[in-house]
Amino acid sequence: AQSVAQPEDQVNVAEGNPLTVKCTYSVSGNPYLFWYVQYPNRGLQFLLKYITGDNLVKGSYGFEAEFNKSQTSFHLKKPSALVSDSALYFCALDTGTASKLTFGTGTRLQVTL
Amino acid sequence: ETGVTQTPRHLVMGMTNKKSLKCEQHLGHNAMYWYKQSAKKPLELMFVYSLEERVENNSVPSRFSPECPNSSHLFLHLHTLQPEDSALYLCASSQDYRSSYEQYFGPGTRLTVT
Repeated sequence: AQSVAQPEDQVNVAEGNPLTVKCTYSVSGNPYLFWYVQYPNRGLQFLLKYITGDNLVKGSYGFEAEFNKSQTSFHLKKPSALVSDSALYFCALDTGTASKLTFGTGTRLQVTL
Repeated sequence: ETGVTQTPRHLVMGMTNKKSLKCEQHLGHNAMYWYKQSAKKPLELMFVYSLEERVENNSVPSRFSPECPNSSHLFLHLHTLQPEDSALYLCASSQDYRSSYEQYFGPGTRLTVT
């Protein structure tokens, strides 16, 4: 069975500082990994994905994520946080055989001035 | 906007009512999905449709009945719901269900069962 863990319920960062939202996964085959963001009263929005190739993936709004196979991690990062980045972030896993995403429980990012 | 719309945005219904949720995608995608989002829990995939055929049904109670009349529209018919069914119901679409294309989500319907 495949699973995704987001170990932090909430991450607090000051604006202008770098941010990291953690994600680890467990899967028997090759993972396809995704990050989505959810703003209040909105659906999820796709940020970025790793399918194959370069381990560093760049996505929307200046976010990037690094795939680390040995640590089974796919942490989301941004060099300089903005207050507008405050939202709920979800990591998700697929094995590519069928579009059946397994989501983590989400991490709330709070960026303050 | 993501190109996926959902109506209504909010719904309050009694346990004996029958109601339907509607989803429409304007992206030309072939796959559509229903998810349930409850507080403090991961998103739960309920149903997957590919070109109007149901390809996934994740042990969802029969009080939830999906319908996909064409590749752009998806409905979720509700009847005799329970209070624990109160949640945000999200619709999504993707280019194809068999590959890892990203999914595009609608804003959701906030359902309250009284």
